[in-house]
Amino acid sequence: SQQGEEDPQALSIQEGENATMNCSYKTSINNLQWYRQNSGRGLVHLILIRSNEREKHSGRLRVTLDTSKKSSSLLITASRAADTASYFCATGRGSAGKSTFGDGTTLTVKP
Amino acid sequence: DAGVIQSPRHEVTEMGQEVTLRCKPISGHDYLFWYRQTMMRGLELLIYFNNNVPIDDSGMPEDRFSAKMPNASFSTLKIQPSEPRDSAVYFCASSLGPYNSPLHFGNGTRLTVT
Repeated sequence: SQQGEEDPQALSIQEGENATMNCSYKTSINNLQWYRQNSGRGLVHLILIRSNEREKHSGRLRVTLDTSKKSSSLLITASRAADTASYFCATGRGSAGKSTFGDGTTLTVKP
Repeated sequence: DAGVIQSPRHEVTEMGQEVTLRCKPISGHDYLFWYRQTMMRGLELLIYFNNNVPIDDSGMPEDRFSAKMPNASFSTLKIQPSEPRDSAVYFCASSLGPYNSPLHFGNGTRLTVT
């Protein structure tokens, strides 16, 4: 089974609104990453947050990590139509460093 | 940097045929990963390499699948013989290291087996 589970599965908002996606996981991790995938393309790395960090920002993106609840959230502020994509969380754990992906949240931003 | 390069972008083949997918990782990246993406199973890690050596192939579905990395700039994933259930998008990704290093993905190969 997948380590990470995103919630909601699908999200539709108007341009300019904020979008929040959540990720829950089951076991201890070294880090948690968020990726974006546009239709027909590969995944693009957005942010990596380490297990000893609680919050991280990158432009309009804000990621939080709560290791006690085994959950993370991705906030996209002032969304744009170009943000329409699927968003995946991935958990890195163990010495191997390999990442396990969730099923993703499909975000639609209407212009 | 050109990023991770995969070829072909699309592959359509008949059941029973051999399929070879190719990947060129980002120069200097020591780790290479092969993932498979389907609607039913999401993104699955098939195998990964460190310095051209296969480290974990526990995700390879069966003996019909094999992967090689003859040098730091090239890897192949081979399916022989192919079956319709192998239809998926296959991604190659590379990263600098095992700890806290993001994955850089190619654009994938969409495989259709009829």
